[in-house]
Amino acid sequence: GQQVMQIPQYQHVQEGEDFTTYCNSSTTLSNIQWYKQRPGGHPVFLIQLVKSGEVKKQKRLTFQFGEAKKNSSLHITATQTTDVGTYFCAGGNDRGSTLGRLYFGRGTQLTVWP
Amino acid sequence: NAGVTQTPKFQVLKTGQSMTLQCAQDMNHNSMYWYRQDPGMGLRLIYYSASEGTTDKGEVPNGYNVSRLNKREFSLRLESAAPSQTSVYFCASSGPQLNSYNEQFFGPGTRLTVL
Repeated sequence: GQQVMQIPQYQHVQEGEDFTTYCNSSTTLSNIQWYKQRPGGHPVFLIQLVKSGEVKKQKRLTFQFGEAKKNSSLHITATQTTDVGTYFCAGGNDRGSTLGRLYFGRGTQLTVWP
Repeated sequence: NAGVTQTPKFQVLKTGQSMTLQCAQDMNHNSMYWYRQDPGMGLRLIYYSASEGTTDKGEVPNGYNVSRLNKREFSLRLESAAPSQTSVYFCASSGPQLNSYNEQFFGPGTRLTVL
């Protein structure tokens, strides 16, 4: 069945260092979304990528969708303590029984040391 | 707008007890979802509902039942709780149509412990 793998599971960085998390799908995706969950909170939508090779930026965050639409990455430049949390990717594949479902990766928990 | 609300926020059950987790949204969304989150396991879909009156199983439906009471409300019931159901439960909604392109809005979660 549909699977979305995400690595690494944990990442500890010094404030100011960069951070990247990667997602890979076993099948071609129609779209990929990224969510952030602060400690003790709930997931909050960050962005969606739809097109092959798409790159989107939000301030220090850069999101990429692979050419084959099977992988994606989130890169944070110069991390800050406010970036602490767990980042999830979620892939969609609107075909038949998977219509409307998002398949979440296990998340990357980011810790930032001041 | 309150967005997605869930009750209760915390619950402790004994093995074999039953309970219903409540979820409501005020965004006029058609699609609603129940997920469970366990450490290191991400978010796993239990059940979802494309519209009022329809429900479908997700990845981990065993031990759960759901009811889409109306467009706003989607409840999750544990008939006979087991320690393996100790988890954080999130309700989410999206709309207006069922597809994966819609952003999902999550509630604050219910932290359930089964002893």
